[in-house]
Amino acid sequence: DQQVKQNSPSLSVQEGRISILNCDYTNSMFDYFLWYKKYPAEGPTFLISISSIKDKNEDGRFTVFLNKSAKHLSLHIVPSQPGDSAVYFCAASARSNDYKLSFGAGTTVTVRA
Amino acid sequence: KAGVTQTPRYLIKTRGQQVTLSCSPISGHRSVSWYQQTPGQGLQFLFEYFSETQRNKGNFPGRFSGRQFSNSRSEMNVSTLELGDSALYLCASSWRGSQRSYEQYFGPGTRLTVT
Repeated sequence: DQQVKQNSPSLSVQEGRISILNCDYTNSMFDYFLWYKKYPAEGPTFLISISSIKDKNEDGRFTVFLNKSAKHLSLHIVPSQPGDSAVYFCAASARSNDYKLSFGAGTTVTVRA
Repeated sequence: KAGVTQTPRYLIKTRGQQVTLSCSPISGHRSVSWYQQTPGQGLQFLFEYFSETQRNKGNFPGRFSGRQFSNSRSEMNVSTLELGDSALYLCASSWRGSQRSYEQYFGPGTRLTVT
């Protein structure tokens, strides 16, 4: 049962524009959310996270938004750069589940020059 | 600070064999988690070890097992390999002292191919 879903397997965006990646979850007990970025032949790298007590967290060009009522989060990358081309994974954890991470299937982002 | 290391990076095995993968966490990290990544499936959680004890387990058959040593290094073993076990196996370490510690740090993975 996939509790974290990334319904868009791929996203193509022009350099300098905004990339918006979406993630939905079904488990209302999730209270901590993370985004990871993965290049080919490398392990995922932690990008940004957000606690359920917040609705926004910003770190440089990356901003994560959380809408708990909709069980939805999104990652905004502004402006998009060629080095942002990678696979992005959304992940969630719950204190009640001992913080075990559940991952989405990933979204492949391609930034066009 | 050295990152998470995994050995070997690539492995080819035949059906029915067994395999052992190794993971060395970041110094000071006591938690090691293992994941299987296959195309279109994202990262599927296998298990987590903390202080040499299995703390969490995913929904994988008993052919998948692991252990952690006193220096926090971890090994994962898969017995009686099947074609469907072909995947990228990722190890991640974290400090596990607070919720923020679940920002796990991943190794490069071991690409296992079963023929």
